[in-house]
Amino acid sequence: DAGITQSPRHKVTETGTPVTLRCHQTENHRYMYWYRQDPGHGLRLIHYSYGVKDTDKGEVSDGYSVSRSKTEDFLLTLESATSSQTSVYFCAISGRTGQGAFGELFFGEGSRLTVL
Amino acid sequence: SQKIEQNSEALNIQEGKTATLTCNYTNYSPAYLQWYRQDPGRGPVFLLLIRENEKEKRKERLKVTFDTTLKQSLFHITASQPADSATYLCALGNFRGGGADGLTFGKGTHLIIQP
Repeated sequence: DAGITQSPRHKVTETGTPVTLRCHQTENHRYMYWYRQDPGHGLRLIHYSYGVKDTDKGEVSDGYSVSRSKTEDFLLTLESATSSQTSVYFCAISGRTGQGAFGELFFGEGSRLTVL
Repeated sequence: SQKIEQNSEALNIQEGKTATLTCNYTNYSPAYLQWYRQDPGRGPVFLLLIRENEKEKRKERLKVTFDTTLKQSLFHITASQPADSATYLCALGNFRGGGADGLTFGKGTHLIIQP
């Protein structure tokens, strides 16, 4: 299994509070992604990173920001959480050293966020 | 807009039979297509990748076909087992952005293998 750790795994918070989810990898993969998964929508890309300090927006980036200061860590921040951001968030990585980004994604176990 | 369609209804198959799942897409020109398996409460797990210039790929009991003219992929599990019960996700990718901008996923098909 790819070494991907998401934290926290479960979080309940209130509307308007900031939340940060962390994705940590030990695989030295170049590319990292944050997806959210909701019933009826499937997996949707929020933000992705193609290197340290190199990030870009995905399909559903509004209300989210990301940072990647080290190869191994990719942080997802909800500056002011809303009930519509209640979801399961998955981090994924791809691109072993020497490979491009076209291979498989390795997913973490997910972080379940509830915004009351 | 890009659209990926997978059968939203659960697919019930008798053990030992071949399960066939469908992935159709529109407004997309993927360079490659991938299939993932997801179990409840877990992250998706990669199964197979097929490129646009490949017609078929096999791995053990799994077979994937990719028809860029029909804009369709079929995913087959032969000699199905109850342990194959899961949700299967189709995902498309292309070389825009050097391929680094991730995959676009379908909503998945829930497969149930009845003993």
